[in-house]
Amino acid sequence: GQNIDQPTEMTATEGAIVQINCTYQTSGFNGLFWYQQHAGEAPTFLSYNVLDGLEEKGRFSSFLSRSKGYSYLLLKELQMKDSASYLCAVEDSNYQLIWGAGTKLIIKP
Amino acid sequence: IAGITQAPTSQILAAGRRMTLRCTQDMRHNAMYWYRQDLGLGLRLIHYSNTAGTTGKGEVPDGYSVSRANTDDFPLTLASAVPSQTSVYFCASSPGTSDQETQYFGPGTRLLVL
Repeated sequence: GQNIDQPTEMTATEGAIVQINCTYQTSGFNGLFWYQQHAGEAPTFLSYNVLDGLEEKGRFSSFLSRSKGYSYLLLKELQMKDSASYLCAVEDSNYQLIWGAGTKLIIKP
Repeated sequence: IAGITQAPTSQILAAGRRMTLRCTQDMRHNAMYWYRQDLGLGLRLIHYSNTAGTTGKGEVPDGYSVSRANTDDFPLTLASAVPSQTSVYFCASSPGTSDQETQYFGPGTRLLVL
């Protein structure tokens, strides 16, 4: 079966750094996405990885290791507005997205 | 219109009633998708369409139907609603032109079936 695992909830302090992990087992791999979803809103695209390594985009970075079936999203200089759920999704061999349940990130002052 | 719109925003529906959720995009995207999102579960694909005139079944298609008569519109119909269809429904679209297909989401429809 196909499976995406992420922690259910994480707490971090404003100004700090947090790493959200995602492990996956899917039928094929054509890329991994991270989306941000604020409560009551739609998911919005954050990052995409298809090759191993780190992709940096401002305060957010995403890492991929295909051999380990592992990715992480790194958020630096946390701000209160970063409080949201972060969704990991893998594009499988049929180019369909398989979604994790999401990690709810709580930022404390 | 800019992006993807969904209607209605929310709805309370009696079990057994028929309901159509509307989705319209103005980005000329080829591919469109319907997901449901339930607490503690990831987004689950209901139906998709890779291009106008074609549709396909996702992970949880039972009880739902779709049509894609043109590029812009992708309505989702619940023929006879049941309480287990209570959920938040998101429509999404992607260009459908490359391997890396970022999906763009509508604001969602919150449906309660009683």
